[in-house]
Amino acid sequence: DGGITQSPKYLFRKEGQNVTLSCEQNLNHDAMYWYRQDPGQGLRLIYYSQIVNDFQKGDIAEGYSVSREKKESFPLTVTSAQKNPTAFYLCASSLGGTNSYEQYFGPGTRLTVT
Amino acid sequence: QQQVKQSPQSLIVQKGGISIINCAYENTAFDYFPWYQQFPGKGPALLIAIRPDVSEKKEGRFTISFNKSAKQFSLHIMDSQPGDSATYFCAAPDSGYALNFGKGTSLLVTP
Repeated sequence: DGGITQSPKYLFRKEGQNVTLSCEQNLNHDAMYWYRQDPGQGLRLIYYSQIVNDFQKGDIAEGYSVSREKKESFPLTVTSAQKNPTAFYLCASSLGGTNSYEQYFGPGTRLTVT
Repeated sequence: QQQVKQSPQSLIVQKGGISIINCAYENTAFDYFPWYQQFPGKGPALLIAIRPDVSEKKEGRFTISFNKSAKQFSLHIMDSQPGDSATYFCAAPDSGYALNFGKGTSLLVTP
């Protein structure tokens, strides 16, 4: 089956700890994205990557970091510098270039930090 | 970052009725406007999208209407069903190969 997988589905962490969220795709897509979703806020872009070993900050990148060492993988690290990390995190991918806007989403990871 | 304004925030429609959700954007670097459907606890799914060389696109019970001069587009759900109850998001491209999303519309279709 082709698609985007995110793991784990639920994640619990103590305040002050870094945590890494996994995102893998087997769609052969060049571009990958991370969004954060909070109730009533829609989806806000954290980071995106158009090609391997390159990525750009989105609107709310502070307190997050990413890497893109493989085409299939785009992990997101939520650092202790992120002031309000509890949220639903969504990974997406697309073909890239002028086809970047046709994005497909994974099932999401719900992170709770206490 | 451009604003994408979506309305209404919530909508209740009787089964068999028409659901209408509206979006307005400021500017766009590329003409592609998608709608996503999201069920609770799931990721958004691409529902329908329009590249506005046409003013309307229809797929089954779902139709996008586009007004380029007004910078507005809308989603119409004909013959709404309880299974359509979900949150719907519109989006518009920004200048950097990403999407800007509206804040969502929670649709409830009553039996």
